[in-house]
Amino acid sequence: GQQVMQIPQYQHVQEGEDFTTYCNSSTTLSNIQWYKQRPGGHPVFLIQLVKSGEVKKQKRLTFQFGEAKKNSSLHITATQTTDVGTYFCAGRPGANNLFFGTGTRLTVIP
Amino acid sequence: DAGVIQSPRHEVTEMGQEVTLRCKPISGHDYLFWYRQTMMRGLELLIYFNNNVPIDDSGMPEDRFSAKMPNASFSTLKIQPSEPRDSAVYFCASRRDSYGVLTFGAGSRLTVL
Repeated sequence: GQQVMQIPQYQHVQEGEDFTTYCNSSTTLSNIQWYKQRPGGHPVFLIQLVKSGEVKKQKRLTFQFGEAKKNSSLHITATQTTDVGTYFCAGRPGANNLFFGTGTRLTVIP
Repeated sequence: DAGVIQSPRHEVTEMGQEVTLRCKPISGHDYLFWYRQTMMRGLELLIYFNNNVPIDDSGMPEDRFSAKMPNASFSTLKIQPSEPRDSAVYFCASRRDSYGVLTFGAGSRLTVL
């Protein structure tokens, strides 16, 4: 069945260090979305990638969609304490539901 | 827009009791989703509706769980009887159309003793 895996499951970084989470799908995706969930909060939409090889930036966050549209990454440059939370990718194989990844929990040490 | 509204925010109940969680989606959103989140299993899709019609309920754990959407502005998720393993945060989310993004509610944290 459809699976969307994320690595790492947890990441602890010193404030100012970079952070990357990777998302891999077992099937080709029509698009991929990224969400952030703060501790005690709910997932909040960050961005959607649609095109093969697409790269989008939001300030210190860089999102990439793989050429084969089976993987994606989120990179945060110079992490801040406000970046703390769990980052989820969610892939869509065609016009079906989103399949959420397992999430990467980021801790930023001041 | 007030966003997706869920109630109650917290519920503590005893095993065997009936639990009803409520959700009001964003007006104009055709899709409504119920998710369950636990540390062990992550974010799981339970069921989703399109134009008030249940489309996929394959994620519903068992017959103790049921969901309804009597109109475009209201949905319920019911657990009867509840069990301790049902303890989780239940999220409702809505989406405008097939390719839209999900807007989540604040969640209902359920504890079954």
